[in-house]
Amino acid sequence: QKEVEQDPGPLSVPEGAIVSLNCTYSNSAFQYFMWYRQYSRKGPELLMYTYSSGNKEDGRFTAQVDKSSKYISLFIRDSQPSDSATYLCAMSGGPNAGGTSYGKLTFGQGTILTVHP
Amino acid sequence: SQTIHQWPATLVQPVGSPLSLECTVEGTSNPNLYWYRQAAGRGLQLLFYSVGIGQISSEVPQNLSASRPQDRQFILSSKKLLLSDSGFYLCAWSPPGQGGLDTQYFGPGTRLTVL
Repeated sequence: QKEVEQDPGPLSVPEGAIVSLNCTYSNSAFQYFMWYRQYSRKGPELLMYTYSSGNKEDGRFTAQVDKSSKYISLFIRDSQPSDSATYLCAMSGGPNAGGTSYGKLTFGQGTILTVHP
Repeated sequence: SQTIHQWPATLVQPVGSPLSLECTVEGTSNPNLYWYRQAAGRGLQLLFYSVGIGQISSEVPQNLSASRPQDRQFILSSKKLLLSDSGFYLCAWSPPGQGGLDTQYFGPGTRLTVL
């Protein structure tokens, strides 16, 4: 079983739809959760960053973390064709997980999203 | 502000040839640096990371190596490329310290095709 599971899609929605992207994980030590957006043939860019459980909103984007269920979500409201990209979830255990001195992220496989006009 | 550069952007190399990919970061000191590979339709695989000059840790045994000759320079190398080395190579950086909770910022990537 992978530490982080993410449905690769592809997901196709009409413009203006609400998009829900999800990841599940198995490592209860994960405390820091991120969403990256990756356009075709480009490097991933950080979209949202959350710590522990709860919601975080930034414009049309809302990140949600449910640590009890080991489940995180990214919601996109009023989706636009420019949102078409691969969305990667990533998570980290923090300084108390493994005693490492660097930030090690575990990534999901990525979900391919297409928003059509 | 910080910026990260990678070059070349695209590379086509024959099997058995050497490889050198370069990554540099501007606007920060003593960053943590990372090399990832992303195969088509797959997630990011961490290859190497570095917390300082000359300090390299390998995550996956393979025919690749990494070096950090300067604080903000990270190099990925191979003496002899294999077909399986084809992929999208990404360099990333994170702020120094804060181990485990750093967000990582990615470069534009190098697309490598080995023929």
